[in-house]
Amino acid sequence: EVQLVESGGGLVQPGRSLKLSCLASGFTFSNYGMNWIRQAPGKGLEWVASISSSSSYIYYADTVKGRFTISRDNAKNTLYLQMTSLRSEDTALYYCARRISSGFDYWGQGVMVTVSS
Amino acid sequence: DIQMTQSPSFLSASVGERVTLSCKASQNINKYLDWYQQKLGEAPKLLIYNTNNLHTGIPSRFSGSGSGTDYTLTISSLQPEDVATYFCLQRNSWPLTFGSGTKLEIK
Repeated sequence: EVQLVESGGGLVQPGRSLKLSCLASGFTFSNYGMNWIRQAPGKGLEWVASISSSSSYIYYADTVKGRFTISRDNAKNTLYLQMTSLRSEDTALYYCARRISSGFDYWGQGVMVTVSS
Repeated sequence: DIQMTQSPSFLSASVGERVTLSCKASQNINKYLDWYQQKLGEAPKLLIYNTNNLHTGIPSRFSGSGSGTDYTLTISSLQPEDVATYFCLQRNSWPLTFGSGTKLEIK
């Protein structure tokens, strides 16, 4: 069974940093592109970042470019999102999702990040 | 960036009714359009990919169509379990962009 479990969220002050993790199981992690997608409370979905299976291709939303870094460790079956210079508008539930040629087929349950003083 | 506009924002329909949701892109997205269903308190779920392909396990009452900039999701006979918010996503070009969603409820 495919599982994606996010961790590392919490309450953080503006300007500080936080690192999210997504532990994958039930599939060959190194064969799939992975993504972070977020959802502010009561709002819609926003794609944040994408990384290819071998980390050769990385893309970011304009709203996080230069502040967030997506990475992965295929030996540990883990996806990461390093977030720096956090702002109140980064407050959201952060999902990791597996990408296939036909979209995002598996999602984690999400981890909450709250940026507030 | 490609902007995705969904309409309506909110829709109330009766059980058994045919329902159509719309998604319009600001430029041609070459049918790289997916639909996701998000029920309250849950992660989104892939329904349809590349405009008209039903994802594994999705009931056949869901279908998609469209081309160019205009795309639709149709539920042929609305069921109580279809209450959710539906989002479209374009995967034609980076950055990937979602529509703002259509919230569907039972009348």
